[in-house]
Amino acid sequence: ETGVTQTPRHLVMGMTNKKSLKCEQHLGHNAMYWYKQSAKKPLELMFVYSLEERVENNSVPSRFSPECPNSSHLFLHLHTLQPEDSALYLCASSQVSGANVLTFGAGSRLTVL
Amino acid sequence: AQSVAQPEDQVNVAEGNPLTVKCTYSVSGNPYLFWYVQYPNRGLQFLLKYITGDNLVKGSYGFEAEFNKSQTSFHLKKPSALVSDSALYFCAVRASSGGSYIPTFGRGTSLIVHP
Repeated sequence: ETGVTQTPRHLVMGMTNKKSLKCEQHLGHNAMYWYKQSAKKPLELMFVYSLEERVENNSVPSRFSPECPNSSHLFLHLHTLQPEDSALYLCASSQVSGANVLTFGAGSRLTVL
Repeated sequence: AQSVAQPEDQVNVAEGNPLTVKCTYSVSGNPYLFWYVQYPNRGLQFLLKYITGDNLVKGSYGFEAEFNKSQTSFHLKKPSALVSDSALYFCAVRASSGGSYIPTFGRGTSLIVHP
């Protein structure tokens, strides 16, 4: 365990389903991140929440919707996904200040049928 | 803007031989540099970082990296590779002052250590 917990670890969903990925950290970090990792593609930063700020990658489709109710929890809401959204979704957390090392969760493997 | 290049998609090395995984970077001002490793079906794990000071940084599992400011490089090295070192390695950079706290990652290099 790294201190960042992601659930579920595996998710299979149809294109019309609505599901959510959850991430939880108890490291006292003040920033949380969602990354998408697809085969043979670079790691893609999707969203970052830090303190009061949200940073988003403008290329992420609106069918992905993040939510960060507090500094310890992060969600990624999924709806009407496409097969090309199948990937490993990684959550990470860090401090904003200093040489902020990211701590990653084990990832949620998503398959869209 | 900051960027990282990992010029090799894959590095092959025999067990017991030294290994090098290359990384070059671009950033405004002084960098913070990081190496992470990813084993199959896992998230990324931090290996080591350069902040300031000694150009040779030692990290987990016997890995080290050398910061070269003139060549803007931060290559990952290990004197003697193990089969268990086979994994995906990511280099990352961010500016030490000003700019964003969000690091930029390279594309990753797959290290394969043959018995």
